[in-house]
Amino acid sequence: NAGVTQTPKFQVLKTGQSMTLQCAQDMNHNSMYWYRQDPGMGLRLIYYSASEGTTDKGEVPNGYNVSRLNKREFSLRLESAAPSQTSVYFCASSGVVNQPQHFGDGTRLSIL
Amino acid sequence: EDQVTQSPEALRLQEGESSSLNCSYTVSGLRGLFWYRQDPGKGPEFLFTLYSAGEEKEKERLKATLTKKESFLHITAPKPEDSATYLCAVQSSNYQLIWGAGTKLIIKP
Repeated sequence: NAGVTQTPKFQVLKTGQSMTLQCAQDMNHNSMYWYRQDPGMGLRLIYYSASEGTTDKGEVPNGYNVSRLNKREFSLRLESAAPSQTSVYFCASSGVVNQPQHFGDGTRLSIL
Repeated sequence: EDQVTQSPEALRLQEGESSSLNCSYTVSGLRGLFWYRQDPGKGPEFLFTLYSAGEEKEKERLKATLTKKESFLHITAPKPEDSATYLCAVQSSNYQLIWGAGTKLIIKP
C-alpha cells in the first residue's frame, strides 16, 4: 500500500544545476499537488493538477515547472536551481480538489 | 487576505495532561478545515475535515471542533506517541489550501 511515492528522498545541487523531482500515486486520484515546506512557515503550493491534462500555478510558482505525465505521475522541475529553493518538497494527491490530500514523505533538497 | 494562524508554536505536556491547540483563520468562502499530523522526516498525515461551524470529529484521544473564526484540536490524556507537529489548513472558495505553520506538541512520559 504505497500511496504517494517521491524520488529522490535527498538531493544536493549546485547553483544553476537542473533536476526533476518525481511523484507517483497508486490511489487512482485525479488531483495532484506540489508544495514546499520551509522552517516556521506553512506549506506553500507551487503547482497543482486538478485532473490529468491540466496544470495550474499555485502561490509560489516562479523558478519551477511541472508535468502531469499521466494520471499517476506528476513531476516538478527546477531549471536553474537557486539557494532560495533549498527546502523540503512534498507531493500530494486527492480524489478531487475538495477532498483530503494524501502526502508523500518528501524530498529534502539543498542548493549550494 | 486569506490567513491561518496556529497557536501555540510549541507545547510541552506531561503524559496524561489534557490541552488544546488553536487554529484561527480568515478566509473568503470556507469550504472546509483540515487537521493533519506530521512526524519528523515524514509527510503530513490526514486526521479530520470539518465543514461547518458547530461540527465536531473525534479519533482516539483527539477531538476537533469548528467555529466561524477558529478550530480547536483537543487532546485528552495524551501519550508520548501523540508527540508530533499538528497542522491546520483551510480550503477557500478556489479550493486551494492555506496552511498554518503548525504546533509542535511534545508529550513527556
